[in-house]
Amino acid sequence: NAGVTQTPKFQVLKTGQSMTLQCAQDMNHEYMSWYRQDPGMGLRLIHYSVGAGITDQGEVPNGYNVSRSTTEDFPLRLLSAAPSQTSVYFCASSYSPGGQETQYFGPGTRLLVL
Amino acid sequence: SQQGEEDPQALSIQEGENATMNCSYKTSINNLQWYRQNSGRGLVHLILIRSNEREKHSGRLRVTLDTSKKSSSLLITASRAADTASYFCATASGGSNYKLTFGKGTLLTVNP
Repeated sequence: NAGVTQTPKFQVLKTGQSMTLQCAQDMNHEYMSWYRQDPGMGLRLIHYSVGAGITDQGEVPNGYNVSRSTTEDFPLRLLSAAPSQTSVYFCASSYSPGGQETQYFGPGTRLLVL
Repeated sequence: SQQGEEDPQALSIQEGENATMNCSYKTSINNLQWYRQNSGRGLVHLILIRSNEREKHSGRLRVTLDTSKKSSSLLITASRAADTASYFCATASGGSNYKLTFGKGTLLTVNP
């Protein structure tokens, strides 16, 4: 199993550009989530999904959209990038909702917005 | 808002010594998890301890949970240079298992 994969590993955007961060898992996990990690802030939950077709907001959802059309994929869309979205983004998945059991994390995407 | 807060923010020890990190949280929890993050990498799950458990072991790791004090500790015994990483506690609280909240982490440096 590849586990949780994320692409790209690194991206530079200009303010106002849009992009999609890809996340895929091959463990048949129902629960998937996106976090951002900023220096000194720990990880903060952006959006999560409890299954295909079902998504909900986390702690910091503004400026981000998600959709879950398949069990495997959970892309994160930045509609109009802002410098405040410069961060490292992590995708995670698990069989059960995030607080119940082990979360499997991807390697992360480093995003720089100029 | 941060639910868990790790203490200390940074810890530097010699190889072979024990390392203790603490986590405090604010509201009642369903369980508490500890994760490790090596520099520039994703997080790796270490241990999950449920609210009705007081202590749990995994290899050189020992986690305790004191719900009356709203605190947990992670002990790494006989540390190795490879244990150098950031350690985070994470909690699911308020009856919701859907939102896992992470602390800011403790940076552990183990000197060879």
